[in-house]
Amino acid sequence: GAGVSQSPSNKVTEKGKDVELRCDPISGHTALYWYRQSLGQGLEFLIYFQGNSAPDKSGLPSDRFSAERTGGSVSTLTIQRTQQEDSAVYLCASSHPAGRTLNTEAFFGQGTRLTVV
Amino acid sequence: AQSVAQPEDQVNVAEGNPLTVKCTYSVSGNPYLFWYVQYPNRGLQFLLKYITGDNLVKGSYGFEAEFNKSQTSFHLKKPSALVSDSALYFCAVRDDNYGQNFVFGPGTRLSVLP
Repeated sequence: GAGVSQSPSNKVTEKGKDVELRCDPISGHTALYWYRQSLGQGLEFLIYFQGNSAPDKSGLPSDRFSAERTGGSVSTLTIQRTQQEDSAVYLCASSHPAGRTLNTEAFFGQGTRLTVV
Repeated sequence: AQSVAQPEDQVNVAEGNPLTVKCTYSVSGNPYLFWYVQYPNRGLQFLLKYITGDNLVKGSYGFEAEFNKSQTSFHLKKPSALVSDSALYFCAVRDDNYGQNFVFGPGTRLSVLP
């Protein structure tokens, strides 16, 4: 597609429910990243995919968080038993791998705003 | 490991004046450096990058940045600030010697006053 697409754009859920966030990266981008951003704050790294594998998942805050990527394309971030502190904007980005092209910048989606009530 | 510092949480500048947003980095290999801008309730937009070549790189909306290897810095600059430049700015680094991850600085909020 033309850009990184994330869905839903907004999600309100009750505490304790599971949620699934989706990211559709730019076609051809093998690297995919998930970040979390609290209101007006910096980016918190969650997980990075190269193809379908996740070489770096060090940022996942707890075992309630998981992510997968299939077919080297779409990724889903799942949060189980949501808590109020999970409320944030979840941003996805994709890029070409570094070192093989000069076009190494990441492109971001518009994010999913998650509110846990 | 990689790291990025943006020493100023907030930068205020008058419209028409030059602006600088500072960034320093630490990597083990060769740095790939980036600047992004975030407007309210929006995702991050790519502004410019340094990969190789000229130390002064030009990007979108009249912004430029200078790569300084000896000072490990990549400051963002604009000769004449606009009120519409007010936003949150993030510096990021990728290390070609250390995986593929992007490491972002904490962000600097730029306010351009009319």
